[in-house]
Amino acid sequence: QKEVEQDPGPLSVPEGAIVSLNCTYSNSAFQYFMWYRQYSRKGPELLMYTYSSGNKEDGRFTAQVDKSSKYISLFIRDSQPSDSATYLCAMMLSGGYNKLIFGAGTRLAVHP
Amino acid sequence: GAVVSQHPSRVICKSGTSVKIECRSLDFQATTMFWYRQFPKQSLMLMATSNEGSKATYEQGVEKDKFLINHASLTLSTLTVTSAHPEDSSFYICSASGPSASPTYEQYFGPGTRLTVT
Repeated sequence: QKEVEQDPGPLSVPEGAIVSLNCTYSNSAFQYFMWYRQYSRKGPELLMYTYSSGNKEDGRFTAQVDKSSKYISLFIRDSQPSDSATYLCAMMLSGGYNKLIFGAGTRLAVHP
Repeated sequence: GAVVSQHPSRVICKSGTSVKIECRSLDFQATTMFWYRQFPKQSLMLMATSNEGSKATYEQGVEKDKFLINHASLTLSTLTVTSAHPEDSSFYICSASGPSASPTYEQYFGPGTRLTVT
């Protein structure tokens, strides 16, 4: 069993839709949870991070963590064609220069 | 701020030769750098972690004699793929983290290097 499971998609939605991306994990010691966006042939860029259960909102993006269920989600409201990318969840055991464990990434396509 | 560059962005080499990839943190001191490998449509797999001035720590299954990592300064780490073979063809991405990065646990990723071994 992989430490972090993420459905690779692809996921295709119309512009304006609400997108839900999810990851599950098996290691209850993970403390930091991140979502990265990666455009084709580019390095990942950090979208959101959180370290506690609950919701965190940033513009059109909402990150949700449920530690009891070992489940994290990223919601994108009013999706735009520019949101088309691969979204990777990542987790870290503790803060301070520790390695990230990535999910497989979900490819998202938002069509006009 | 927090920009990481990689050079070259794309390299083609012949089987049996070695190739060096540079990773630089441009506006902060990176005490720790990470090297990842990514196959098409797959996630990033950590190869090794390097701290400035120390030997790199390799993940299980990564050949340290084949993938030489040097982190000689707070702004530069290099990955050398020695005696490259076609199966080494991949997208190599570095990331950097350090005390002057904010938040401190954040890793800033470079744009990646596409290696093709013929």
